[in-house]
Amino acid sequence: EQQVQQSPASLVLQEAENAELQCSFSIFTNQVQWFYQRPGGRLVSLLYNPSGTKQSGRLTSTTVIKERRSSLHISSSQITDSGTYLCAMEDTNAYKVIFGKGTHLHVLP
Amino acid sequence: AQTIHQWPVAEIKAVGSPLSLGCTIKGKSSPNLYWYWQATGGTLQQLFYSITVGQVESVVQLNLSASRPKDDQFILSTEKLLLSHSGFYLCAWSPGVNQDTQYFGPGTRLLVL
Repeated sequence: EQQVQQSPASLVLQEAENAELQCSFSIFTNQVQWFYQRPGGRLVSLLYNPSGTKQSGRLTSTTVIKERRSSLHISSSQITDSGTYLCAMEDTNAYKVIFGKGTHLHVLP
Repeated sequence: AQTIHQWPVAEIKAVGSPLSLGCTIKGKSSPNLYWYWQATGGTLQQLFYSITVGQVESVVQLNLSASRPKDDQFILSTEKLLLSHSGFYLCAWSPGVNQDTQYFGPGTRLLVL
């Protein structure tokens, strides 16, 4: 059973369009984090958002813990935003982190 | 500022040979440390975590072991590699108090032939 589900699996945008990425989890958590995985594999932390809404530049994350979901909104997409976006939750067992399969984003000129 | 290093950057190893991957964190005392593995095209999976020196907890059994010999060092190893060990290994740390965000190293790419 996939405990962290991400949608869509892939997304193609024209530059300057907005993107909405979704993450849902099957078990309770109080720790949600969004990452960007570069083509070479390195993970970059984007937003740590256990609840509510958090913003960093063009990124906005909204987490509704009671509904077991989180979203990542990318505004005014750029070609350099292309890559894989990963959602991760921490099991209430603490220290156990579960990742989703990711959303592969392609931004076209 | 904290820095995290992993070594080696990449390895090509034979099935049945031993493996040792390393990770060090500088600039942060008593971090929580983590090992992750990602098969090509696969989902990132947590393998181990450690909250203190000498103490390591296993999350997924992949015929690998981990050790934390020093506060700032985390080692992943096996005596006999399998083909299924190929993939990308990532080390991460988080602050010792409250789970907070995790910070990842650059990773080690392993190919087992």
